[in-house]
Amino acid sequence: AQTVTQSQPEMSVQEAETVTLSCTYDTSESNYYLFWYKQPPSRQMILVIRQEAYKQQNATENRFSVNFQKAAKSFSLKISDSQLGDTAMYFCAFMKLSIIQGAQKLVFGQGTRLTINP
Amino acid sequence: DGGITQSPKYLFRKEGQNVTLSCEQNLNHDAMYWYRQDPGQGLRLIYYSQIVNDFQKGDIAEGYSVSREKKESFPLTVTSAQKNPTAFYLCASSSTWDSVEQPQHFGDGTRLSIL
Repeated sequence: AQTVTQSQPEMSVQEAETVTLSCTYDTSESNYYLFWYKQPPSRQMILVIRQEAYKQQNATENRFSVNFQKAAKSFSLKISDSQLGDTAMYFCAFMKLSIIQGAQKLVFGQGTRLTINP
Repeated sequence: DGGITQSPKYLFRKEGQNVTLSCEQNLNHDAMYWYRQDPGQGLRLIYYSQIVNDFQKGDIAEGYSVSREKKESFPLTVTSAQKNPTAFYLCASSSTWDSVEQPQHFGDGTRLSIL
């Protein structure tokens, strides 16, 4: 079974600073996907960024980027020029790649509560 | 607009009472999921369904039941056997052919509390 671990329950930074959220995972699968979700105070789950395990290049979405280290099973999220609207819970998630169509279960980490201070 | 609707937003349960949480989607997704969210534990999978009239237990199915009679609907019943039902419940759905671009779409959740 896969497990996802986020070792930072809470983090706090000043606006415009850069912050990195850590995530490690354990799996015996070779083909999989990793995701970061954001859950603001409204509690809606928002997909921030995705990474395919077979791609060596780290994914980037505007101010959000990841550092994917497959051998170390590490998947950290970097937020540059942080904004007040980035305040949220952030969840790391794992999904096994399946060639059989069907439900694709996500395995979530415990979450990191990020606060951006003005 | 397409999306997932969960109702009610807040729900209160008395001891020994069953309650049903509603989840409806108009995204034409085949797969649907129920998660429970507790502080410090992230999201845990309760049940999921890949197709109408079929569903599988997730990691914490005890004390819960589901049905999938229509593609659009996946209601979750929290039974009296669930001893600690106070939590935030999230419903999600996914397309079986587009699961990487948007792995799962989520509803806005239902907060269940014990009276």
